[in-house]
Amino acid sequence: GESVGLHLPTLSVQEGDNSIINCAYSNSASDYFIWYKQESGKGPQFIIDIRSNMDKRQGQRVTVLLNKTVKHLSLQIAATQPGDSAVYFCAETSPSNDYKLSFGAGTTVTVRA
Amino acid sequence: ETGVTQSPTHLIKTRGQQVTLRCSSQSGHNTVSWYQQALGQGPQFIFQYYREEENGRGNFPPRFSGLQFPNYSSELNVNALELDDSALYLCASSLSSGGIYTEQFFGPGTRLTVL
Repeated sequence: GESVGLHLPTLSVQEGDNSIINCAYSNSASDYFIWYKQESGKGPQFIIDIRSNMDKRQGQRVTVLLNKTVKHLSLQIAATQPGDSAVYFCAETSPSNDYKLSFGAGTTVTVRA
Repeated sequence: ETGVTQSPTHLIKTRGQQVTLRCSSQSGHNTVSWYQQALGQGPQFIFQYYREEENGRGNFPPRFSGLQFPNYSSELNVNALELDDSALYLCASSLSSGGIYTEQFFGPGTRLTVL
């Protein structure tokens, strides 16, 4: 079965507001966690990743938080824009599976103008 | 764009037929992974090829098979197609150097419909 999952399948956010997308995972051996964005008709696009020895990592307008105690991962998008409308997936990987990716089901983010 | 290309873009087959999907990896990458993404779901790992050898397989039956060529491009073959095989098939390429995580770059996918 899947080792990662997202809390909410859909998220509607006002343009300019911050978005928070959550993900729970069950494999305590997971070593890397990755967030992907998938727009309609396209393959998943890498957003940001975080290693298990980190709690927080920031990119351009995005921040990923990792809480290993409760096996929880979140993606924060600052000042959400219409172009952020997409399906967001978290994925995990570990050396025990040769770094193959295990994806959750995804959260669909819709940005309201 | 990632530089990973897949063909064809769309494909319609009937039950029992066979299909071959193709993937050209990003320049310099030596590893190709294939994923199946059913509608509304996250991608599911099928298998991975590294230096022309299968390097790990997910929970898919043997009628799913693959190849990797010396130029690191890859094929996914599915025999005896079933209705549930209808999905978006994604390939992802990466540069593996053994035992460490490296970013996977996804192609746009092939949409397979089985009637």
